[in-house]
Amino acid sequence: DAGITQSPRHKVTETGTPVTLRCHQTENHRYMYWYRQDPGHGLRLIHYSYGVKDTDKGEVSDGYSVSRSKTEDFLLTLESATSSQTSVYFCAISGGDSRTDTQYFGPGTRLTVL
Amino acid sequence: KQEVTQIPAALSVPEGENLVLNCSFTDSAIYNLQWFRQDPGKGLTSLLLIQSSQREQTSGRLNASLDKSSGRSTLYIAASQPGDSATYLCATLSYNTDKLIFGTGTRLQVFP
Repeated sequence: DAGITQSPRHKVTETGTPVTLRCHQTENHRYMYWYRQDPGHGLRLIHYSYGVKDTDKGEVSDGYSVSRSKTEDFLLTLESATSSQTSVYFCAISGGDSRTDTQYFGPGTRLTVL
Repeated sequence: KQEVTQIPAALSVPEGENLVLNCSFTDSAIYNLQWFRQDPGKGLTSLLLIQSSQREQTSGRLNASLDKSSGRSTLYIAASQPGDSATYLCATLSYNTDKLIFGTGTRLQVFP
């Protein structure tokens, strides 16, 4: 299994508060991704990173920002959480140094915004 | 825009049956297609990756095929077991979007 951890695993927060989710990898791989999973929508890409300080938007990036200051860590921030951001968030890495390699997923973070 | 569809949304079969899960996609300009398994409350586990130049991949009791021209992939599970019960997701990596696009999955239940 790819060495991917996510923290926290569960979080309940209130509307309007900032939230940061952390993804940590031990594989030293270049590409990292944040997805959200919602019933009826499947998994959708929020942001991804192709190197330290190199990030780009996915299909549902509004309301989210990311940062990658180290190869091993990719942070997802909800600047002001809304109820529509209640979801399960997954981090993933590409198995090699190419974006076309198999993606490996972390265990997920369940976020509830009240 | 790439759209990935999986039919059926749910499937229930008795143990021992051979079964086929279907995945269709609208844009054939893909790098690869991947099949994943997701257990309830868990992350995704990669099962098979088929490159666009390949026709099929096999791993144990699993065999995945790819027909780019028709925009279809199938995941064949031989001699199903209760431990195979999970949601199976397919995803394509398109040239145009350069991002992995997922289907909404097929929820499989294998009963003893």
